[in-house]
Amino acid sequence: SYVLTQPPSVSLAPGQTARITCGGDNIERKSVHWYQQRPGQAPLLVIYDDTDRPSGIPERFSGSNSGNTASLTISRVEAGDEADYHCQVWDSISDHWVFGGGTKLTVL
Amino acid sequence: EVQLVQSGAEVKKPGESLRISCTASGYSFPGSWIGWVRQMPGKGLEWMGNIFPADSDTKYSPSFQGQVTFSADKSTNTVYLQWRGLKASDTATYFCARRVLGHNYGPFFDYWGQGTLVTVSS
Repeated sequence: SYVLTQPPSVSLAPGQTARITCGGDNIERKSVHWYQQRPGQAPLLVIYDDTDRPSGIPERFSGSNSGNTASLTISRVEAGDEADYHCQVWDSISDHWVFGGGTKLTVL
Repeated sequence: EVQLVQSGAEVKKPGESLRISCTASGYSFPGSWIGWVRQMPGKGLEWMGNIFPADSDTKYSPSFQGQVTFSADKSTNTVYLQWRGLKASDTATYFCARRVLGHNYGPFFDYWGQGTLVTVSS
């Protein structure tokens, strides 16, 4: 089955740029989607189709996907960005959905 | 406005049955798949499967096949997640979410319910 690998945690100071990775075999062939989950809340879609932002998501959030790694980049990180971030793909071979293990973003 | 509203928290004993609900509004309910996602305490998201309310077609993750049952009621715009014989390991928060297709046909969840916490303890 298809596996997505994320770093458990990323920490940085306010104003810096966060890059959260999501690794998978030839992931560039798949559409990658990203969800933000603040403590005690439901997930919120922040990036879909590798690079697109839903309405209402700040331009500071961007995505990319190349080779075996997809990335979520958050520019000028703020305290309010502190959350868990989950990547997700659909594996067309098995017709199953796959989530990464999630990355906890801490703003120091 | 699209909304998914889930039923409230539950506390059950091992072996008991349970059905939780997710009621949709703000869009054409029968025509969109709804998915269920489990989140165990302190852990990541796990896809359980999807249901298509128009005809109750279902797709289960192998990890949950035979362990849970999805159903839908078009008259009330509600989907259900059911267990027969809960275990302590079923303790988790369960989310429903609306599935949509991306430009390259990769599906994702655009709207989520608030989650239902299920606690199974003797």
